[in-house]
Amino acid sequence: AQSVAQPEDQVNVAEGNPLTVKCTYSVSGNPYLFWYVQYPNRGLQFLLKYITGDNLVKGSYGFEAEFNKSQTSFHLKKPSALVSDSALYFCAVRDGGATNKLIFGTGTLLAVQP
Amino acid sequence: GAVVSQHPSWVICKSGTSVKIECRSLDFQATTMFWYRQFPKQSLMLMATSNEGSKATYEQGVEKDKFLINHASLTLSTLTVTSAHPEDSSFYICSARDLVGAANTEAFFGQGTRLTVV
Repeated sequence: AQSVAQPEDQVNVAEGNPLTVKCTYSVSGNPYLFWYVQYPNRGLQFLLKYITGDNLVKGSYGFEAEFNKSQTSFHLKKPSALVSDSALYFCAVRDGGATNKLIFGTGTLLAVQP
Repeated sequence: GAVVSQHPSWVICKSGTSVKIECRSLDFQATTMFWYRQFPKQSLMLMATSNEGSKATYEQGVEKDKFLINHASLTLSTLTVTSAHPEDSSFYICSARDLVGAANTEAFFGQGTRLTVV
């Protein structure tokens, strides 16, 4: 079965510093990986996805993610964090079944201090 | 990206009553919609997958008679929480995928509905 793991419940970073939110995956077959962000009492917003091609994927709001097949990781990164980036981040993998449903990680709370 | 509208954004209801939550894809057709439940500080738990014109597929442990799902058109799915109880209080989120979506297309999410049963 497909799964993703987010080992950190919370990541703290100072504004202006680079940030990394970790995600590792376990899939059979080709991985279809996604990152979403959730602000308080809101639904999820799509940030970026990896399907195939370049291992470095660029997404919304200056975020990017690096797909690493050997380490089965898909870490989310941003060169310079903003206070407004503070939110809950979810990594997800597409289930290979008929409905192609998303399997979410447990989420990582990113706190950017001014 | 595509827009998914969920209504209401919050609702308070009395124990024993039913509540309907709507999920609409505004600018695309969605053959498949998903309903999630999220507890405070926790991840999204998939409740059911809704396919237009057919019965929903419920995840293990989700009571289909309590959480009624209807997907009558390509742009609308509804979740009805029947005979709600305080333990049903939660944040409910829907998502939808484009009609021509394959495994590599992203899903779009509604704004969520905060249900409080008193």
